Amino acid sequence: GAGVSQSPSNKVTEKGKDVELRCDPISGHTALYWYRQRLGQGLEFLIYFQGNSAPDKSGLPSDRFSAERTGESVSTLTIQRTQQEDSAVYLCASSLASGTGQETQYFGPGTRLLVL
Amino acid sequence: RKEVEQDPGPFNVPEGATVAFNCTYSNSASQSFFWYRQDCRKEPKLLMSVYSSGNEDGRFTAQLNRASQYISLLIRDSKLSDSATYLCVVGNDYKLSFGAGTTVTVRA
Repeated sequence: GAGVSQSPSNKVTEKGKDVELRCDPISGHTALYWYRQRLGQGLEFLIYFQGNSAPDKSGLPSDRFSAERTGESVSTLTIQRTQQEDSAVYLCASSLASGTGQETQYFGPGTRLLVL
Repeated sequence: RKEVEQDPGPFNVPEGATVAFNCTYSNSASQSFFWYRQDCRKEPKLLMSVYSSGNEDGRFTAQLNRASQYISLLIRDSKLSDSATYLCVVGNDYKLSFGAGTTVTVRA
């Protein structure tokens, strides 16, 4: 079946512009996660959705970052007034449910964001 | 202090060799443990979960030491296709904390 998909796969933008990243999770997965991976570093947790609610936004780096999820499906991560330090790969993952920490998270291919 | 720390490597080994590496984690309340594999410019994929009693999956053996808060991965009979970055992952409820990864290169 289809896995997690993300778009765009690559995005180059100018400093100060807004960008919107999209994630389509695996159908039926209620939990959705956004991570950021800077070059040579581990994944940083950004936000977690259970259904359409985001009980944990603690990883969002600043108020320039926001995310929403609709229809218990598609999620968008928006970065306003992008800065060069926002350059990274943004990864989305989904899992069937959550709370136990035992479930496999399936990752999308990521969006490579470059802010010039 | 990082939540999960790994030796970045690289570990450069010949085909057929055994390679082992580990990671340490800081949160003693962590509940779940995994090894993920990440190929160059690709997304992470689950390699195996790690259980307290230790577990094997083919040529891969994982161990967990809760007292010392470290997790190990051993790869036997290395294949060229094992070349990748291996991510140590620790979970607490829904939240996963990732190490920066250990790079393994298997040469012919």
